[in-house]
Amino acid sequence: GAVVSQHPSRVICKSGTSVKIECRSLDFQATTMFWYRQFPKKSLMLMATSNEGSKATYEQGVEKDKFLINHASLTLSTLTVTSAHPEDSSFYICSASSVGPSNKPQHFGDGTRLSIL
Amino acid sequence: AQKITQTQPGMFVQEKEAVTLDCTYDTSDQSYGLFWYKQPSSGEMIFLIYQGSYDEQNATEGRYSLNFQKARKSANLVISASQLGDSAMYFCAMRNPPNTGTALIFGKGTTLSVSS
Repeated sequence: GAVVSQHPSRVICKSGTSVKIECRSLDFQATTMFWYRQFPKKSLMLMATSNEGSKATYEQGVEKDKFLINHASLTLSTLTVTSAHPEDSSFYICSASSVGPSNKPQHFGDGTRLSIL
Repeated sequence: AQKITQTQPGMFVQEKEAVTLDCTYDTSDQSYGLFWYKQPSSGEMIFLIYQGSYDEQNATEGRYSLNFQKARKSANLVISASQLGDSAMYFCAMRNPPNTGTALIFGKGTTLSVSS
């Protein structure tokens, strides 16, 4: 089945540092990748949608200068949390989608738990 | 506005019993897709089942079935013969329009606890 790899799975770092999270589709070409944020026991909130080779589309309220998204190839998208602060601590999860019938599900990475001290 | 509503924050069931997780959705469009995902405590999202808005039959996948009532805009997940490994958070989601380039919109989720 379709596999999406997300790395790293856990990050603990100091306030003010930048953190890069990678999302790779291992066995298919992901024309679209999505980045979600999830607080404990809460729903997944869409942060942005990225299509290969074009700028990401951010959801209302998401700071594009804070959360930099790059989708340079059909198998890789990255999310960089710039100058991270404790309020950025959260679970970030990506998903990838390829062109196909409407019953084709999105495939998710295993998520990244980000803790900013 | 598009919205997914899951009104049960938590559900408790005993092993081997069936359980229904509720989901209602709001959209003015006719074409959309509905999904259920399972999220164990480890965090990964596991796809369970899909129902298209034009599908006349309720979707089934093994022990999972989807009770789709279009007029009521509900898409409840039924898990038959619950197992301990079913304990997890369950999310109902909608993709509208249904094409694969559209993001999923999730409900708040239901935490299912299965006891022996």
